[in-house]
Amino acid sequence: GENVEQHPSTLSVQEGDSAVIKCTYSDSASNYFPWYKQELGKGPQLIIDIRSNVGEKKDQRIAVTLNKTAKHFSLHITETQPEDSAVYFCAASLNTNAGKSTFGDGTTLTVKP
Amino acid sequence: NAGVTQTPKFQVLKTGQSMTLQCAQDMNHNSMYWYRQDPGMGLRLIYYSASEGTTDKGEVPNGYNVSRLNKREFSLRLESAAPSQTSVYFCASSVMTSTDTQYFGPGTRLTVL
Repeated sequence: GENVEQHPSTLSVQEGDSAVIKCTYSDSASNYFPWYKQELGKGPQLIIDIRSNVGEKKDQRIAVTLNKTAKHFSLHITETQPEDSAVYFCAASLNTNAGKSTFGDGTTLTVKP
Repeated sequence: NAGVTQTPKFQVLKTGQSMTLQCAQDMNHNSMYWYRQDPGMGLRLIYYSASEGTTDKGEVPNGYNVSRLNKREFSLRLESAAPSQTSVYFCASSVMTSTDTQYFGPGTRLTVL
């Protein structure tokens, strides 16, 4: 089955700096890669996603890049703010009737004011 | 729209007791999922339902049963709770498959003594 590895497990940055979180996946057939943000005491919420036919996607301060050949994808957050502090999860999914996603173990991001 | 709702928010059980976690969504989604989240381990899929009337095992199904009562509701049952089932449980739904955005509920924090 699919295996997703996420690094680093914790990340601390100064406000205004950039943050990068990386994930690798094992199943070359996976074709959908979402990123979720989980704030304390809440459920994960989608912040950005990318499909295998696209190499990069941006949404304001957040961007995701995908390298299908190397089977890795990354989340980039620029101009970080204290409210970006949360746990971030990557996932990889395969579009079959099975409908299953495999999640990374999460990265705890702390943005220091 | 309330999105995905879960009850209860917190529960403490003794070893061997049973309980049912309830989940409902009002977004007319076809697929629903149950995950457990343990510290440092990300989200692991317990069971999922790709459509009303169907359920399938995920990565960690042992000790659990599910019921897709109708399109809106997907319940998770622990027949004989064990301390290893202490976790935070999240229900999620998506339009069709796991390559659609998954919307998560707020979670149920379960402690088994």
